[in-house]
Amino acid sequence: GAGVSQSPSNKVTEKGKDVELRCDPISGHTALYWYRQSLGQGLEFLIYFQGNSAPDKSGLPSDRFSAERTGGSVSTLTIQRTQQEDSAVYLCASSRGGTGELFFGEGSRLTVL
Amino acid sequence: AQSVTQLDSHVSVSEGTPVLLRCNYSSSYSPSLFWYVQHPNKGLQLLLKYTSAATLVKGINGFEAEFKKSETSFHLTKPSAHMSDAAEYFCVVSAPLGNEKLTFGTGTRLTIIP
Repeated sequence: GAGVSQSPSNKVTEKGKDVELRCDPISGHTALYWYRQSLGQGLEFLIYFQGNSAPDKSGLPSDRFSAERTGGSVSTLTIQRTQQEDSAVYLCASSRGGTGELFFGEGSRLTVL
Repeated sequence: AQSVTQLDSHVSVSEGTPVLLRCNYSSSYSPSLFWYVQHPNKGLQLLLKYTSAATLVKGINGFEAEFKKSETSFHLTKPSAHMSDAAEYFCVVSAPLGNEKLTFGTGTRLTIIP
């Protein structure tokens, strides 16, 4: 497709389980971002990949959160031992880099019971 | 470090009347500023951006914003609201282009009254 694709669109899991969220960015975009959007909150920055540089992980809230980007394209956000406070919409975005314009996917809604 | 404050969490206007969504920023650098819009169950979309060129920036769907350094503001306006403008609007700041970790405001939900 032409846009940023995220899967799954909805995920319900039990507390303590691990989850993986996938992001397929726009082809040719060198930068990839993960944000978290909780109810009534703005977007919280999680992690930023730019080309082959080391990712900016400064927004990851705990060591239960990790992300990787394979081959400079698809990215996976992993949350281990999920907690109820992890419930949120996880948004992925990509950009060409240097423009400030991010293209967002429609998000993965995570519900931790 | 940079931050943005969106002064109103909700704004309601009648169709055909002007829209004003307020945003104030704080930045250690000359900032780049953006407005993004999120329609229900949709991804975010860039409305417009300011990157130190003209202080009055025009965006899509008839929106515009004016960068006022003296007031540290970047308010979003539209002369005449349309029903399709109902959405969540986010004011966003980043360091000068080249460092693209964007900082989002908490959002303003715009409701259009028929």
